[in-house]
Amino acid sequence: GAVVSQHPSRVICKSGTSVKIECRSLDFQATTMFWYRQFPKQSLMLMATSNEGSKATYEQGVEKDKFLINHASLTLSTLTVTSAHPEDSSFYICSARRASGGNEQFFGPGTRLTVL
Amino acid sequence: GENVGLHLPTLSVQEGDNSIINCAYSNSASDYFIWYKQESGKGPQFIIDIRSNMDKRQGQRVTVLLNKTVKHLSLQIAATQPGDSAVYFCAENKDTGRRALTFGSGTRLQVQP
Repeated sequence: GAVVSQHPSRVICKSGTSVKIECRSLDFQATTMFWYRQFPKQSLMLMATSNEGSKATYEQGVEKDKFLINHASLTLSTLTVTSAHPEDSSFYICSARRASGGNEQFFGPGTRLTVL
Repeated sequence: GENVGLHLPTLSVQEGDNSIINCAYSNSASDYFIWYKQESGKGPQFIIDIRSNMDKRQGQRVTVLLNKTVKHLSLQIAATQPGDSAVYFCAENKDTGRRALTFGSGTRLQVQP
């Protein structure tokens, strides 16, 4: 149990285009999902907290108009990178917490974004 | 800034030896700590966690030690195997409301057969 999937696993896009990444909790409901970004040989950096049915909470320095987050259901959160540029190339990872409670976060496999 | 660096510290051990990976955390108010294993190109995999009201917790081949006095966390892996080779991150829950995690900078474990 507690499986989180991400789609796509990797995406290559041209500069200026928008890319949507999906994060799904497959066998549990998640009121809260988190989006992280990881550059090569670095740690995971929290970008935003996605709350079902309400606006996301963004970390300092993360542009909310560039990284649009939608958490429309208890099993799906999406991250849209708008007008992507090469510096947005990174590994994007989501995690989810059970709606039923508990501290543990279950992580997705990540999405590798490459912007040309 | 935090977690900026081109090189992860690396711990190299022989297969069968015990490994100890250390982590310093930043917030004395953090109440929950987790160790994750990350293989190349994959998401983090949960290893073991510990709450701040404990100082030791054991799992299968792994032990986490928490020293709140010096804000130090360690992961001990017994009888290290080649499959344990990965990057290991500690994470702390600084924000007790949102339960968001802050990750440490990571340590690469290389197990020599």
